[in-house]
Amino acid sequence: DIQMTQSPSSLSASAGDRVIITCRASQSISSHLNWYQQKAGKTPKLLIYAATSLHSGVPSRFSGSGSGTDFTLTISSLQPEDFATYYCQQSYTAPHTFGQGTKLEIK
Amino acid sequence: EVQLEESGGDLVQPGGSLRLSCAASGFTLSNFWMTWVRQAPGKGLEWVANIKLDGSEEFYVDSVKGRFTISRDNAQNSLYLQMNSLRAEDTAVYYCARDGVVPTTLGYGMDVWGQGTTVTVSS
Repeated sequence: DIQMTQSPSSLSASAGDRVIITCRASQSISSHLNWYQQKAGKTPKLLIYAATSLHSGVPSRFSGSGSGTDFTLTISSLQPEDFATYYCQQSYTAPHTFGQGTKLEIK
Repeated sequence: EVQLEESGGDLVQPGGSLRLSCAASGFTLSNFWMTWVRQAPGKGLEWVANIKLDGSEEFYVDSVKGRFTISRDNAQNSLYLQMNSLRAEDTAVYYCARDGVVPTTLGYGMDVWGQGTTVTVSS
């Protein structure tokens, strides 16, 4: 199975900050990489698919980059509603494993 | 409105069985791969299984292979997860999700999720 490793596991930041979360795959997954946001007690929501494509309705402050084994999710200017846990997920080969998550907290 | 609604979660004893259902509305189920994802209390997301448009292919995470079976009834707009030989470590909220798997392309992620149904395995 492909292992997905996110860093950091947790992050404290302030509104207005630029934040970068990284995700590394244990083998090349081309651009088969998705990002999700999950707020406490809520259902996960798709943010980015195919490594760089913004899902419909997602604010443009979110962006994704990378290919192969290394990927990043960038939030250009944190808003209060962005404090949540973020997960990467590979859809290259089953099982479509998730990273362990990055919890973004208010500083 | 595009929606998924899970049901069937319950408290079950170790070794027991449970069948989860996921009712789809607002879209044509047969046009999409479908996936089950679970989340143990206080833990991250775990991909469990997915199934091809017509049910002709299924894939599972190793920890549930031979115990869980994913299936679908496109005519009834429903997805299922039959869970047998349940273990304490299967305790989780189970989500169904519409999966943008498109073979030979990058796909478009899991764009619609249900609210989840809770499975507790305990004596």
